[in-house]
Amino acid sequence: AQSVTQPDIHITVSEGASLELRCNYSYGATPYLFWYVQSPGQGLQLLLKYFSGDTLVQGIKGFEAEFKRSQSSFNLRKPSVHWSDAAEYFCAVGAGGATNKLIFGTGTLLAVQP
Amino acid sequence: SQTIHQWPATLVQPVGSPLSLECTVEGTSNPNLYWYRQAAGRGLQLLFYSVGIGQISSEVPQNLSASRPQDRQFILSSKKLLLSDSGFYLCAWGLGGTNQPQHFGDGTRLSIL
Repeated sequence: AQSVTQPDIHITVSEGASLELRCNYSYGATPYLFWYVQSPGQGLQLLLKYFSGDTLVQGIKGFEAEFKRSQSSFNLRKPSVHWSDAAEYFCAVGAGGATNKLIFGTGTLLAVQP
Repeated sequence: SQTIHQWPATLVQPVGSPLSLECTVEGTSNPNLYWYRQAAGRGLQLLFYSVGIGQISSEVPQNLSASRPQDRQFILSSKKLLLSDSGFYLCAWGLGGTNQPQHFGDGTRLSIL
């Protein structure tokens, strides 16, 4: 069965420090992978997506993610975190096809210390 | 460009009352539409999706129903709300037959008293 695991429920980093949020997926075919960010009380905003090709993808707000097929991972990174990055981050794998449903991880809540 | 609207943003309802949440999309035709619920401290649970007018698929058995009376309109309803229906409801749209991402509305915070 398809699934997404985000092993870190909550992460705290200092402003200016680097960030890596982990995501592992289980999917039988070539996965279509996404990272979304959710600020409190808001909807989800797409940060970046991976379909094929270059395994390092760049997104908005200075984020990037690397697809590693051998590890079934799609970790999100940012070299220097800003206080405005405090939010919840969701990894998702897409089923594609006519329904184009997404399977989400349970999210990682990021806190940024001054 | 495409936009998605959800309303109301916040709703407080008594147990046993009816519910109607509305979602509309602009700037695209024949989108797939989705309703999610997000309980406090938990991830997103897909409730319903629709690939066309009048076509509704339910992902989980529950007290809620969905309808799609027009191409870009998606409605989430209940005849009698339960306490367990409290949560944050998100509508999203996407393009079927592609692997493009879904795009989300700003959500409705539903509190049941």
